[in-house]
Amino acid sequence: QVQLQESGPGLVKPSETLSLTCSVSGGSLNDYDWSWIRQSPGKGLEWIGCVYDNWNMNYNPSLHSRVTLSVDTSKNQISLTLDSVTAADTAVYYCARSRGWFFDSWGQGTLVTVSS
Amino acid sequence: SFGLTQPPSVSVAAGQTATITCGGDYLGSRVVHWYQQKPGHAPAVVVYGDTDRPSRIPERFSGSNSDNRATLTISRVEAGDEAVYYCQVSDNTADKPVFGGGTKLTVL
Repeated sequence: QVQLQESGPGLVKPSETLSLTCSVSGGSLNDYDWSWIRQSPGKGLEWIGCVYDNWNMNYNPSLHSRVTLSVDTSKNQISLTLDSVTAADTAVYYCARSRGWFFDSWGQGTLVTVSS
Repeated sequence: SFGLTQPPSVSVAAGQTATITCGGDYLGSRVVHWYQQKPGHAPAVVVYGDTDRPSRIPERFSGSNSDNRATLTISRVEAGDEAVYYCQVSDNTADKPVFGGGTKLTVL
């Protein structure tokens, strides 16, 4: 059974860059799409972006100018960077596996707080 | 852009049936998935492809979708069903997923 685990700093200063990694175990990155989704405290789910199974990327237009996704197939990892963060970027960040926009596996999530 | 509308909250007595709705234009022409999120946990799918259930999800959970509304029905509600439920579709025009705002189910 595939498992996803997010990792990265829990605290980022305003205007700096948020960097997270999703490590996938028990399965290959091939044949699936991989997304980052975030949830601000007490709020709903916001899709950030996706790495397709052909390694193309797709980003939420509202975040596109600040987001970069990357893949390391040798490590079975998907990474997220978000530039110029503000307090509004404070959230739990999830990575999730999908095929056809159906998210069948999620990581446990990691809380990132933006604060000086 | 395409949006999904859910009631913020639904309350139901234990043992009764809970109905959680998700509205959107021509929603019946799209494929709807439902996720359950308990406090401190990641969302987990309870219904996918409008009506299918993962094997770990009891038959008490069922989904339907037609016209402008999708519905998640939970029969014989238990205290453990208390959670926030999100509907989700794909916005084919923008090629991205869209989530509803979530419905908090309270079991009385």
